[in-house]
Amino acid sequence: GAGVSQSPRYKVAKRGQDVALRCDPISGHVSLFWYQQALGQGPEFLTYFQNEAQLDKSGLPSDRFFAERPEGSVSTLKIQRTQQEDSAVYLCASSLEVNTYNEQFFGPGTRLTVL
Amino acid sequence: QKEVEQNSGPLSVPEGAIASLNCTYSDRGSQSFFWYRQYSGKSPELIMSIYSNGDKEDGRFTAQLNKASQYVSLLIRDSQPSDSATYLCAVKDSGSSNTGKLIFGQGTTLQVKP
Repeated sequence: GAGVSQSPRYKVAKRGQDVALRCDPISGHVSLFWYQQALGQGPEFLTYFQNEAQLDKSGLPSDRFFAERPEGSVSTLKIQRTQQEDSAVYLCASSLEVNTYNEQFFGPGTRLTVL
Repeated sequence: QKEVEQNSGPLSVPEGAIASLNCTYSDRGSQSFFWYRQYSGKSPELIMSIYSNGDKEDGRFTAQLNKASQYVSLLIRDSQPSDSATYLCAVKDSGSSNTGKLIFGQGTTLQVKP
């Protein structure tokens, strides 16, 4: 079966531009997560969806970051007025359900470079 | 601030040897622990999960968990050059209302030399 897919794989933006990153989770997976990974670091949590409900957005670094999952499947992470410090790999992960034993499976990521 | 600590390495082992990767965590309430492998330029790939104290074996991989010491480890037996990658330890945050949020260490780079 298909895994988690993300698009675009690479994005170059000029400082101040808005960007939208898409995630298509594994079919039937209830939970969807966004993480940000800086070079040489482990992924850091941004936000979590259970179906269409955004239940945790505690990791979003500023109000320029916005995520949605309107139909409980595909999710979009939007960054407004991009800054150089937003340059990172943005990873999407999904898991079948929410319980103690959830295993998260990652997509290939979107590498964002802000010039 | 809940933390997961790993030695960044690199850890260098000869082909065929046992590689031992270690991780400590600060969240005493955590119940779920994961090891991910990340090749350069790729995304993390889940290789092991462990939830109970003791050892869990899967092929050449063994995960070890000691909740009292807040310590997780990964052993790779008969290391191969293809095992060369960064290994990320991840701990499920117990305070996240069961959302499943993972806290990652910075990863340990493993180099297996032929």
